[in-house]
Amino acid sequence: AQKVTQAQTEISVVEKEDVTLDCVYETRDTTYYLFWYKQPPSGELVFLIRRNSFDEQNEISGRYSWNFQKSTSSFNFTITASQVVDSAVYFCALSEWGQFYFGTGTSLTVIP
Amino acid sequence: NAGVTQTPKFRVLKTGQSMTLLCAQDMNHEYMYWYRQDPGMGLRLIHYSVGEGTTAKGEVPDGYNVSRLKKQNFLLGLESAAPSQTSVYFCASSYNKGGHEQYFGPGTRLTVT
Repeated sequence: AQKVTQAQTEISVVEKEDVTLDCVYETRDTTYYLFWYKQPPSGELVFLIRRNSFDEQNEISGRYSWNFQKSTSSFNFTITASQVVDSAVYFCALSEWGQFYFGTGTSLTVIP
Repeated sequence: NAGVTQTPKFRVLKTGQSMTLLCAQDMNHEYMYWYRQDPGMGLRLIHYSVGEGTTAKGEVPDGYNVSRLKKQNFLLGLESAAPSQTSVYFCASSYNKGGHEQYFGPGTRLTVT
């Protein structure tokens, strides 16, 4: 079974629209960490945010915001007023017991 | 401060050939990881190391070996390459396991014909 599920394979939005990327995880551990990474067309992986299982406070950083809900095992990522530079593949990841598990990624295309 | 570097960036192998991918980090991180990225599969952990001289298997270790003789280096070896090992390989390092983010290298694109 997938530890991290990103059901949205590809999303296209028009510039300035808001977009939410979904992430659902599975773990039996009480202590775990969740991450979002961005992979632009150039191929490198860029760290965006980390959350631990004890901190359900949502976070906003500029145009980015994250919604962590333990009750639904979800860690969703919203981009507000999307821009062409946001076009990339976004990965959600879970860390438990020292191992990392990545979702299959969501490819976001922002159309100018 | 170069971060995480990988050598080589590209490589083409014939089936049965061997090669070693080198990962180096200059951040004094304890933990290092090797992943492979395949279309539609995301990143899958091959092997990882929690410190100099230690290695452990990840999700997809078969066909690969690793060594961590120095803290800053983590080598990934393919003894007898197979077409199924055609992939993009990423190395990553982190200060500690779990709670710390991983810093990734630029990747190595390997094609096995």
